[in-house]
Amino acid sequence: TQLLEQSPQFLSIQEGENLTVYCNSSSVFSSLQWYRQEPGEGPVLLVTVVTGGEVKKLKRLTFQFGDARKDSSLHITAAQPGDTGLYLCAGANAGGTSYGKLTFGQGTILTVHP
Amino acid sequence: DTEVTQTPKHLVMGMTNKKSLKCEQHMGHRAMYWYKQKAKKPPELMFVYSYEKLSINESVPSRFSPECPNSSLLNLHLHALQPEDSALYLCASSRRGSGSYEQYFGPGTRLTVT
Repeated sequence: TQLLEQSPQFLSIQEGENLTVYCNSSSVFSSLQWYRQEPGEGPVLLVTVVTGGEVKKLKRLTFQFGDARKDSSLHITAAQPGDTGLYLCAGANAGGTSYGKLTFGQGTILTVHP
Repeated sequence: DTEVTQTPKHLVMGMTNKKSLKCEQHMGHRAMYWYKQKAKKPPELMFVYSYEKLSINESVPSRFSPECPNSSLLNLHLHALQPEDSALYLCASSRRGSGSYEQYFGPGTRLTVT
């Protein structure tokens, strides 16, 4: 069974601070997605990383995929109240009978105070 | 367009009722998913349809019955539910064979079983 350990579980910060969320596993993933979810809504896909060592930027958000494709991180610079939400990492494996099964981390609940 | 729509947005049903949740996507995706999500937890996979055929059933109780009438539609038929089935039910879709396995989620149906 594949597991993704996501940390921290809760993060409460002031506007303007930086933060990093981590997802770690002992398993290799073919790709890893990051989602943000607001209360009462579905998760929204932020980014997909596929190549080991890959770094992607989305405005103030920076995503990294580990060289061995077992871990990933999300760094937010100068957090804003609009960044508040549940952040989920999800790993995918190629094909076969496990197609479609994402392994989700436990989630990080981020609250950014004005 | 990466939109997945779900109806209804909210549903309250008694334990003896029969109801259905509906999901629709027009992205040409050939894989569709049902998830159950409890508050502040990651989504839990229930069913996967690939090319309109059920490919994964995560040992879901028979009171949940999925149906995929065509490549754009996915239903979840509910019967004799229990209060612990109250949750946010999410539909998602992905492009079969994309390699990156990105899943796009709908806004969810908030189900309350009384």
